[in-house]
Parts: sequence; C-alpha cells; structure tokens
Amino acid sequence: GDSVTQTEGLVTLTEGLPVMLNCTYQSTYSPFLFWYVQHLNEAPKLLLKSFTDNKRPEHQGFHATLHKSSSSFHLQKSSAQLSDSALYYCALSDLNNNNAPRFGAGTKLSVKP
Amino acid sequence: GGIITQTPKFLIGQEGQKLTLKCQQNFNHDTMYWYRQDSGKGLRLIYYSITENDLQKGDLSEGYDASREKKSSFSLTVTSAQKNEMAVFLCASSPKGSGNTLYFGEGSRLIVV
Repeated sequence: GDSVTQTEGLVTLTEGLPVMLNCTYQSTYSPFLFWYVQHLNEAPKLLLKSFTDNKRPEHQGFHATLHKSSSSFHLQKSSAQLSDSALYYCALSDLNNNNAPRFGAGTKLSVKP
Repeated sequence: GGIITQTPKFLIGQEGQKLTLKCQQNFNHDTMYWYRQDSGKGLRLIYYSITENDLQKGDLSEGYDASREKKSSFSLTVTSAQKNEMAVFLCASSPKGSGNTLYFGEGSRLIVV
C-alpha cells in the first residue's frame, strides 16, 4: 500500500540557514505529493503540492521537487525565518486509485535566532 | 471561501463511553475525512466519505463508526472510549479535481477520564 516516510522528527536550526525536510514515499500508481504546515494551535494547511507536468511548486519561499526515480519530495527553503517554526507533514494521494491522502509522521521545525 | 467547523473543541468522557464528534463544511466539497493526530505518529486516516451516505474505512477504523448524514456534515463516533485514545481528531474535506487537496478543521481534542 501507499506510505510516506519522514525521517526527522525534529529539525532545529538558526535563522538564515537553509532548510531541507526529507520526504520519501511508496506508491503503486500515480502519486500526487503534498506538504502541509501546522502552526501551534492552528489547523494544518496546504503549503504546496506537486504538479503533474513536473513543474516545481513554490510557496512562501518553500519549494519541493518530485523525483519519481528516488520516490522523494523533499521540502527546501534557502533561508529559514523564525516564523517558519511549525510542524510539517508530507502526504501522498494516489490519483489512479482515488485513495484518501496518507501522511508521514511529521517533522517539527524549530528556528532559533 | 469556506470553513470547516468541528464540535465540540474538547470532548471529555469516561472510559467505555460512546462519544461523538461532529464536523460541518460549507465549501460544498464532495469528499470528507476524519484523521487522528498523535504526536510522533502523524495523521492517521480513520474514515472517509466520497459522497452523502458513502463510507470508506481508513487505516485506523477499528473502534470507530462514522456517518455522512448529508453532504455538508460528517460525524465520528468512538464506540467505547479508552484512555489510550486521547488524541486530536481532525476533520477535512477536499474538492473534486484537486488531487485530494485537504482543507482542515481546527480539531477536537478527546480526553478520557
């Protein structure tokens, strides 16, 4: 079945440094990948999602590239801000199977001054 | 824009009790979902519904029932509350043609005493 792996439970870094949060997946059919962000005491909300035409999605300085050869969709940002501190979830939806999205365990990003 | 409303925000019950969480959306989305959020385990799918009166089991459906009474509402029942079930329950909906992009409610926290 479909699954998502986020290997880092907690990432702590200093403001201004680059961010990379890992996401790998297993999918039987045509995967659609998402990153959701959840700030403290708020609902998760969509940060970005993969395109079917291999374009690189970007939002609020974050970007991610779907690499089917390595089954990865890592989230990156060139310079972390204090306001980026939050919980980040990678999720997978299988287009051909109309399966509900499955999530990774989440990565807590903590940005320090 | 629309909103997803989950009630109650906090649900306190006794062990063995049957407890119900409710979710309403005014996006007019077809598909609705219930996820359970536990720290370090990500979001796990309990039930989802593609349309009114449809129910699909997720990965964590045992011990839960769900009901999609109408397009705008989706309820989740814990059939016999246990202390190890204390978690946040998130309701979400997704529009057609979005690749199952999720719009979340703010969550309901279940406390079992």
